[in-house]
Amino acid sequence: SSELTQDPAVSVALGQTVRITCQGDSLRTYYASWYQQKPGQAPVLVIYGKNNRPSGIPDRFSGSRSGNTASLTITGAQAEDEADYYCNSRDNSGNQRVFGGGTKLTVL
Amino acid sequence: QVQLMQSGAEVREPGASVRVSCKASGYSFSVYYIHWVRQAPGQGLEWMGWINPNSGDTNFAQKFRGRVTMTRDTSISTSYMELSRLRSGDTAVYYCAREILGGLGFYYFDYWGQGTLVTVSS
Repeated sequence: SSELTQDPAVSVALGQTVRITCQGDSLRTYYASWYQQKPGQAPVLVIYGKNNRPSGIPDRFSGSRSGNTASLTITGAQAEDEADYYCNSRDNSGNQRVFGGGTKLTVL
Repeated sequence: QVQLMQSGAEVREPGASVRVSCKASGYSFSVYYIHWVRQAPGQGLEWMGWINPNSGDTNFAQKFRGRVTMTRDTSISTSYMELSRLRSGDTAVYYCAREILGGLGFYYFDYWGQGTLVTVSS
């Protein structure tokens, strides 16, 4: 399968830890990258590779992979983390890319 | 600094075509693939395809084959995405994004354009 599956919505209490997951066969071969998108804005890269953060992304964001599941973890979620999060990876052919359906994160 | 600057909003009638541009600056244009991603109102991100600015090679999602063309003009560091036979379901924000090939199985989009709203309406 070339699909990536995400939970549509997740909520977390302010300051607590939340994990957003992404499942797909291609994740056994390729790492996922993760993007944060706030309303009316372009997506922003937050995690790539094994567990790498671009400059400017807080260290409360981390990534991991186990089998066919990639995870984005926010440790100590802040109000400004409320956003949509998308995973992306190559498909099984290796030549195309695919996005997960996105997870809407609510910080309570 | 790296920037991807896209052309402005477009309105088209059903059946028409639209071309969106993405001008790169702050880096060597030919080195990194450019991808196009779209987002319909209230929906998720949808990958459309990529162009290799060095060779002009392209690869498209099955859904768009036959309707999408991606080209580039290396003299002005600009990529183009043209979508034909537009229908109402093509109403979306279209983004270009630069891809980094990190090796060891990871690839990511590190810079994105600001997005171009294409509205298809009669």
